[in-house]
Amino acid sequence: DTGVSQNPRHKITKRGQNVTFRCDPISEHNRLYWYRQTLGQGPEFLTYFQNEAQLEKSRLLSDRFSAERPKGSFSTLEIQRTEQGDSAMYLCASSSPGQVYSGANVLTFGAGSRLTVL
Amino acid sequence: GNSVTQMEGPVTLSEEAFLTINCTYTATGYPSLFWYVQYPGEGLQLLLKATKADDKGSNKGFEATYRKETTSFHLEKGSVQVSDSAVYFCALITSNYKLTFGKGTLLTVNP
Repeated sequence: DTGVSQNPRHKITKRGQNVTFRCDPISEHNRLYWYRQTLGQGPEFLTYFQNEAQLEKSRLLSDRFSAERPKGSFSTLEIQRTEQGDSAMYLCASSSPGQVYSGANVLTFGAGSRLTVL
Repeated sequence: GNSVTQMEGPVTLSEEAFLTINCTYTATGYPSLFWYVQYPGEGLQLLLKATKADDKGSNKGFEATYRKETTSFHLEKGSVQVSDSAVYFCALITSNYKLTFGKGTLLTVNP
């Protein structure tokens, strides 16, 4: 297994355009997370899937953001009508089934997709 | 809600120096605690973890002890190397399945 894969690694777009990021998790992992990391800050939770079900969304995820995981495998994060404030690193992570709070499983992160909105 | 506070960086050390990066937390329930590391141009990697009070996580010469009484999880290493230069994040997770991160501490180790 090659770990969590994210594409594209870098995206430069003009304000107002739509962008889509893809995440391929570790194959046996049923949980998938999206985080956003801005310069000088720690990652902030955006949303979380268990299989194909989106179980929680942060208030950071405005109505311009949509995430899907149609078959419980890969996921996409789309940002519509991008704004300069959307410029950030978008991180995807996955984890295996089990009780997360026990630490029995751990989030494995991809390298991230960096978005620059001009 | 949950939160993590890390000592602010950047931290600059000479090779073989002792490292401490402070981390304190507030959480509802009983969190598991983590240190993640981010090397330049790479993704976040788990460095070590501790799941209950008084547990000590360790990896690659780094250690951190889960101190419930002081709500702390300080990262230490006895002798840092140039290759340890990276950003270090303290994080916690509770039963809500969400990792909460600190802001990160940039460590630079000079030869």
